[in-house]
Amino acid sequence: NAGVTQTPKFRILKIGQSMTLQCAQDMNHNYMYWYRQDPGMGLKLIYYSVGAGITDKGEVPNGYNVSRSTTEDFPLRLELAAPSQTSVYFCASSLDRVGEKLFFGSGTQLSVL
Amino acid sequence: KQEVTQIPAALSVPEGENLVLNCSFTDSAIYNLQWFRQDPGKGLTSLLLIQSSQREQTSGRLNASLDKSSGRSTLYIAASQPGDSATYLCAVMKGNQFYFGTGTSLTVIP
Repeated sequence: NAGVTQTPKFRILKIGQSMTLQCAQDMNHNYMYWYRQDPGMGLKLIYYSVGAGITDKGEVPNGYNVSRSTTEDFPLRLELAAPSQTSVYFCASSLDRVGEKLFFGSGTQLSVL
Repeated sequence: KQEVTQIPAALSVPEGENLVLNCSFTDSAIYNLQWFRQDPGKGLTSLLLIQSSQREQTSGRLNASLDKSSGRSTLYIAASQPGDSATYLCAVMKGNQFYFGTGTSLTVIP
């Protein structure tokens, strides 16, 4: 059972480039989340999804886009990368909203130079 | 807006000591609270989940308590071991979002 899988693990982008961070879970979870973690800060929610075809903004959505065409996949798109998007990105999922633990991927370390 | 605070930011203890990590939150209308462990360069692992109607949860040497009315939770680690060295984060769920604290970095000295 792989859990939550994120790719790539590391990436360096130039300012203005675009990329997609991939996230897949094999636990048939309904809820999926994208967080970013900056040094000394708590995790900040970027976007989340409550099921296939349904997404919503979190606390820091500017500069990002998501889609959820299947239950398993929840990619995060960065358009026109900026140095402020240098961070560690985590994807997470849970079966339900209220009573279930949150499972995390191992993260993607992104640098924008 | 929900604010989650963890104090202290860092803690260093000798092996075998019992210790308590603190988490406080500003809005008591939460669905649940989770404690996570994060090792350097890794993702977060959920340790304990406490529903809003519960007062505590236990798993092995770990015990987490929740006092919603005062907006506080504690994570108690008994008989600490060097392998417990990690960053511990708490998160509360309100609406469809989890709100995370900044974590306590724990070092257990052999």
